[in-house]
Amino acid sequence: EVQLVESGGGLVQPGGSLRLSCTASGIIFSSYAMSWVRQAPGKGLEWVSSITGSGGGSSYGDSVEGRFTISRDNSKNTLYLQMNSLRAEDTAMYYCAKGLRPTYFYGMDVWGQGTTVAVSS
Amino acid sequence: EIVLTQSPGSLSLSPGERATLSCRASQSVSSDYLAWYQQIPGQTPRLLIHGASSRATGIPDRFSGSGSGTDFTLTISRLEPEDFAVYYCQQYGSARITFGPGTKVDIK
Repeated sequence: EVQLVESGGGLVQPGGSLRLSCTASGIIFSSYAMSWVRQAPGKGLEWVSSITGSGGGSSYGDSVEGRFTISRDNSKNTLYLQMNSLRAEDTAMYYCAKGLRPTYFYGMDVWGQGTTVAVSS
Repeated sequence: EIVLTQSPGSLSLSPGERATLSCRASQSVSSDYLAWYQQIPGQTPRLLIHGASSRATGIPDRFSGSGSGTDFTLTISRLEPEDFAVYYCQQYGSARITFGPGTKVDIK
């Protein structure tokens, strides 16, 4: 069974930083693209960032580009999201999601339970 | 950025009825890159359809997807009680992924 477990969320002040992690099991991790998707309370889904299976390519949503960095360690089956210069509007549940293929174009078929990020003074 | 618009915003139907959900893109989307998700309140999203019309693993055949270009449709042929949820379309294009705002299907 494929499992994704996120960690690293919490309460942080505006301008602060957090690093989220997502550990995968039950898959050949390097064979799949991975993504971060967030959902603010009571709102819809917002794509944050994606990375290819090899880690050689990545992309970001406009609202986080230049502040967030996605990375992966295929030897540890772990995906990361480094979040800097956090703003109140970054407050959300952050989901890690597995892509269907090594590139991130085709949809996300497994989702973690999410980790909550709250940005407030 | 390709913007996705979903209609209607909400839909009230009875179990056994047919649901037709629309997703319209601001510019043409490759059918390969169009997906639909279901999110039941309090749960994580679940992939229903990828490649515009291919059901994901384990998805019942009452769910079907169709469309091309800028207009895509998710159809639920006969609503079951567990189908009352929010449905999102999602696309990849121009190096970005975007989600639609969602259609809420609730019990009439």
